[in-house]
Amino acid sequence: DQQVKQNSPSLSVQEGRISILNCDYTNSMFDYFLWYKKYPAEGPTFLISISSIKDKNEDGRFTVFLNKSAKHLSLHIVPSQPGDSAVYFCAASGRSGSEKLVFGKGTKLTVNP
Amino acid sequence: DADVTQTPRNRITKTGKRIMLECSQTKGHDRMYWYRQDPGLGLRLIYYSFDVKDINKGEISDGYSVSRQAQAKFSLSLESAIPNQTALYFCATSDSGLGDTQYFGPGTRLTVL
Repeated sequence: DQQVKQNSPSLSVQEGRISILNCDYTNSMFDYFLWYKKYPAEGPTFLISISSIKDKNEDGRFTVFLNKSAKHLSLHIVPSQPGDSAVYFCAASGRSGSEKLVFGKGTKLTVNP
Repeated sequence: DADVTQTPRNRITKTGKRIMLECSQTKGHDRMYWYRQDPGLGLRLIYYSFDVKDINKGEISDGYSVSRQAQAKFSLSLESAIPNQTALYFCATSDSGLGDTQYFGPGTRLTVL
């Protein structure tokens, strides 16, 4: 059973516009959420995170929104740049003390010049 | 220098061979992880270790074993490689604490013929 779902395998946007990547989760014990970015031939790199006590976290062009009641989070990139083209993974962890991350399958973002 | 290194970066082997993938980190983190990435399946946890004396199975541990030789070193072995173990393998590290961020190595591309 997939606990973290990224239902869009790919997304294409124009440079300068907003990119919105979505993620849904099923486990109500998750209380910490992260987004990772991955370029080809490289390992995933941490982008931004949010704790369940917040509903928004912003870092430059990147903002993550969390809707706990809907078990949904989204990553907004404004404005999108061609260098943002990558695969984005959503991940979640719970308060079990194990702190294992559960990853979604990823969304490939393409930003067209 | 990279904080998390993996060797080899690429490996082609034959069915039935024993393979070892190595991971080293200079971040001083206690926790280390091994993941595999397959197209369309995201990142799946194979094994993880919270300290030198701790080894835990992840989501897909069958056919794999690990050794935590030191705080900084965590190796993954395929005792008898099979073609469906062809994948990208990533090592990651994290510091202790709730909701800790994981830092990934560059990956090893393994092909089993």
